[in-house]
Amino acid sequence: AQTVTQSQPEMSVQEAETVTLSCTYDTSESDYYLFWYKQPPSRQMILVIRQEAYKQQNATENRFSVNFQKAAKSFSLKISDSQLGDAAMYFCASEEYGNKLVFGAGTILRVKS
Amino acid sequence: GAGVSQSPRYKVAKRGQDVALRCDPISGHVSLFWYQQALGQGPEFLTYFQNEAQLDKSGLPSDRFFAERPEGSVSTLKIQRTQQEDSAVYLCASSLGGQGVPRGATDTQYFGPGTRLTVL
Repeated sequence: AQTVTQSQPEMSVQEAETVTLSCTYDTSESDYYLFWYKQPPSRQMILVIRQEAYKQQNATENRFSVNFQKAAKSFSLKISDSQLGDAAMYFCASEEYGNKLVFGAGTILRVKS
Repeated sequence: GAGVSQSPRYKVAKRGQDVALRCDPISGHVSLFWYQQALGQGPEFLTYFQNEAQLDKSGLPSDRFFAERPEGSVSTLKIQRTQQEDSAVYLCASSLGGQGVPRGATDTQYFGPGTRLTVL
């Protein structure tokens, strides 16, 4: 079975600084997608960034970027220039053919002003 | 619509009651998913529809859980004889693509705000 592990239950970052959230996964698939979702207290799950496993280039979306290490099955999220609005629960997720997502347990990100 | 909507946002049920949770996906989206999120945990897959066909119900925890999407748009998740362990947030997500469709950006799942179910 697919598993996704987020080993950091909680992280803190100073406003304007950079923080990296860790994620490892296990899959037997060769073709899959990886995602980072953000869930603020409102519960709305918001897509932050996605990575296609067959692409070598790390995905980037504005201040958010990933470090995708396929051989190590590692998929970390880097948030640059952290803002107060980045405070939320962050979930790493993998998707294999069949489309269902498997989520990690989440990392709470706190941003200090 | 502009996004995935779910109703009600909050539901309190007495143990043993039946409940029905509704999901309105983004218009035109082929795939619809239900997830269950216990407090402080990540969402867990319940079931998946492609149009009106329920292709995967492997995550439904018991036969008290039933989902349908009769016309390929709105979906209802029904829980019969609710138990305290059913208390959770139920999330619905939709995506444009489906199984057998070439994969690409259409695979992204867009989530609704969820329904928080509390069983007393």
